[in-house]
Amino acid sequence: LAKTTQPISMDSYEGQEVNITCSHNNIATNDYITWYQQFPSQGPRFIIQGYKTKVTNEVASLFIPADRKSSTLSLPRVSLSDTAVYYCLGTGSNDYKLSFGAGTTVTVRA
Amino acid sequence: DTEVTQTPKHLVMGMTNKKSLKCEQHMGHRAMYWYKQKAKKPPELMFVYSYEKLSINESVPSRFSPECPNSSLLNLHLHALQPEDSALYLCASSQTELTYGYTFGSGTRLTVV
Repeated sequence: LAKTTQPISMDSYEGQEVNITCSHNNIATNDYITWYQQFPSQGPRFIIQGYKTKVTNEVASLFIPADRKSSTLSLPRVSLSDTAVYYCLGTGSNDYKLSFGAGTTVTVRA
Repeated sequence: DTEVTQTPKHLVMGMTNKKSLKCEQHMGHRAMYWYKQKAKKPPELMFVYSYEKLSINESVPSRFSPECPNSSLLNLHLHALQPEDSALYLCASSQTELTYGYTFGSGTRLTVV
């Protein structure tokens, strides 16, 4: 599994865009990048997954540059309810175990 | 049904007690997982079941005993736990071992006294 590094915490205000960058220098050719969101006392929730370039869904966008050594999760126009821990994981096609790093605590203020 | 249901939501048990945690999903997923999460720490994998067979045991102490009676149900039997085993226990499922879109339950908050 790719070792990932992300900021410990980020602060934002309602209505702003939040961008969380994750570094994964040793990502393998077959690894995907997957992001999960976790609220206090709840299980993590799958947000988005990508391999390269840009992926967008109703919740977020994921940008992965050509070298795939980093990725950026973009949360548009955040609200107070987006306050959570966000985990970046490298997941390989032959290694399905989810190993969570420390994650990024995003705090959205009014 | 797109949920993983865990019961109970909260459990307090003594160190000599025997209790069980239950996890259920009806999404047709054939891989199920137990994770343990301590406060302000990321979830840690404990066990993986694939097609009702134990696939991975991450060197978990024997006082934790998993069981998968059928493809929809996963149990975690607890016996002679220690206070340091107090944590949030999360169950998750995925279509197979080789898919990444896990669905997690809300967890059981376990306190060992």
